[in-house]
Amino acid sequence: AQSVTQLDSQVPVFEEAPVELRCNYSSSVSVYLFWYVQYPNQGLQLLLKYLSGSTLVKGINGFEAEFNKSQTSFHLRKPSVHISDTAEYFCAVHTGKLIFGQGTTLQVKP
Amino acid sequence: GAVVSQHPSRVICKSGTSVKIECRSLDFQATTMFWYRQFPKKSLMLMATSNEGSKATYEQGVEKDKFLINHASLTLSTLTVTSAHPEDSSFYICSAVTGFQETQYFGPGTRLLVL
Repeated sequence: AQSVTQLDSQVPVFEEAPVELRCNYSSSVSVYLFWYVQYPNQGLQLLLKYLSGSTLVKGINGFEAEFNKSQTSFHLRKPSVHISDTAEYFCAVHTGKLIFGQGTTLQVKP
Repeated sequence: GAVVSQHPSRVICKSGTSVKIECRSLDFQATTMFWYRQFPKKSLMLMATSNEGSKATYEQGVEKDKFLINHASLTLSTLTVTSAHPEDSSFYICSAVTGFQETQYFGPGTRLLVL
């Protein structure tokens, strides 16, 4: 069975510092991988996705993620965060349907 | 592009009543729509998959008679929570896909509170 594990439930970071949100997945077949962001009381917005090709994927708002097949990881990174990046971030794997991780709360402090 | 709307954004109802939530794809035709439920501080749980013109496919443990889903057109799916109870209070989110089904576009969600 496919599953997604987000290793950190909360990540506090100061403004302008770099951040990495970790995601590992388990699947016996090829997967498509996604990162979504959810602001309070809102739906999910697609940040970026990996379908095939280059393992380094660039998304919106300065985020990027790297697909590592050998480590079954798809970590999300941003070199310098803003206060406005404070939100819930979900990693998801698609193998017929979307399976979400438990989410990571990114708290950007001034 | 790829905008999905939901209506209402928030609804409060009395226990025992039914509530209908609409999900619309505004600028594309959605062959498939999904309904999710999200509890506070929790991830999204897929409730059902809805294909236009056919019956919805429900996930294990989701009561199909309680959560009625209709997908009558390529731009509209509805979720009706029948005989709602306080435990049905939650944040309901829909998503839609076009031909490239691996990318889902999400609506803004509907907050349901059953008193």
